[in-house]
Amino acid sequence: DFQMTQSPSFVSASIGDTVTITCRARQDISKSLAWYQQKPGKAPKLLIYAATNLQGGVSSRFSGSGSGTHFSLTIRSLQPEDFATYYCQQAYSFPSTFGQGTKVEIK
Amino acid sequence: VQLLESGGGLVQPGGSLRLSCVASQFNVYAMAWVRQAPGKGLEWVAGVSGSGSTTYYADSVEGRFTISTDKLNNTVSLQMDSLRAEDTAIYYCAKYVVLILAKLYYFDLWGRGTLVTVSS
Repeated sequence: DFQMTQSPSFVSASIGDTVTITCRARQDISKSLAWYQQKPGKAPKLLIYAATNLQGGVSSRFSGSGSGTHFSLTIRSLQPEDFATYYCQQAYSFPSTFGQGTKVEIK
Repeated sequence: VQLLESGGGLVQPGGSLRLSCVASQFNVYAMAWVRQAPGKGLEWVAGVSGSGSTTYYADSVEGRFTISTDKLNNTVSLQMDSLRAEDTAIYYCAKYVVLILAKLYYFDLWGRGTLVTVSS
């Protein structure tokens, strides 16, 4: 299957900072990658699909880039509501696989 | 537009449980179950194609879990047999966006989840 490796596992950042999370696929998945945000006790929420496309209603402070095997999620000007755990998901084939997650905490 | 899961609970090892997920304001098509063990990340468990004819399973549940859709009642179900302690998790129902030509399969809608605890 398409194993996904996400890094870092943990980020400590301040309000207003820019944070970048990376995700690496074991095989070429073109641009078939999605990013999700999950807050404690809540279901995941789609942020980005097809590597770079912002889901409707999601803040433009979020952006995605990459293709092939290397991808990144950038959060600019961190806001209090952005502190959460973020997951990448390869969207290229079944089984769907997720990265291990990156927890973004307040410094 | 929402998904609502039900059927979770406490079950003994070796037991069975059936989870259901009802969709409102859209017709079920390609769907999946994703779980999250306490304090852990997301793990895809099973998926079903839009027609309902093709199913996919994670290695960890292959042969024990069965996913199915009921278009009449607009639901997707997960029959879980031979449950183990490591199956303890919150189980989320999720709706696939399927773009076959683009080879793009991602989730645009999630339910709130239902907790399954396997313990004696």
